[in-house]
Amino acid sequence: GAGVSQSPRYKVAKRGQDVALRCDPISGHVSLFWYQQALGQGPEFLTYFQNEAQLDKSGLPSDRFFAERPEGSVSTLKIQRTQQEDSAVYLCASSSSGTGSSPLHFGNGTRLTVT
Amino acid sequence: AQSVAQPEDQVNVAEGNPLTVKCTYSVSGNPYLFWYVQYPNRGLQFLLKYITGDNLVKGSYGFEAEFNKSQTSFHLKKPSALVSDSALYFCAVRDGGGNNRLAFGKGNQVVVIP
Repeated sequence: GAGVSQSPRYKVAKRGQDVALRCDPISGHVSLFWYQQALGQGPEFLTYFQNEAQLDKSGLPSDRFFAERPEGSVSTLKIQRTQQEDSAVYLCASSSSGTGSSPLHFGNGTRLTVT
Repeated sequence: AQSVAQPEDQVNVAEGNPLTVKCTYSVSGNPYLFWYVQYPNRGLQFLLKYITGDNLVKGSYGFEAEFNKSQTSFHLKKPSALVSDSALYFCAVRDGGGNNRLAFGKGNQVVVIP
């Protein structure tokens, strides 16, 4: 596809359920990022992959959050035992290089609502 | 750690007037600076960036931004605003000598009044 694709677009989960959010980056893009955007706020960094290697996971808020990119392409963000404070839009972004000078290309996000 | 401040919550401007959205940053190394725009229920779209070179950078849709090292600022400007420019604008900074983490400001809502 032409851009970054995220699914599902919307997800409603009951507190305590596990969820998995999928990201298909632009083909050939080396770097992949996950961000969390709360209502009325800017995106907050969660984690970063270069190919299949997770180089930075310092933004993950707790050990309930886990991300993987096993083949260096598609990535999944998993949240276990969801809590109400996890409600947010989760944005995935990819970029063509690992040097940090290339812009990020964002998907439309997954809006997670925990009830 | 890098950070960005966008001091205004909302910027109102009449159509045809100049538009300015302010951004100041903090970073330990050389800054890589970016502006993104977000429309409702969409992801962020890249507008322009400063990495090195000329302090005035031009980007998409007639936007430009000026890097000012002494004031640690990177204000976004457009000479003549359009109603379609109404959106949420984010400034972001990355430490050029450090990690690849991009830090975003809280965003500015721009409202262009017809």
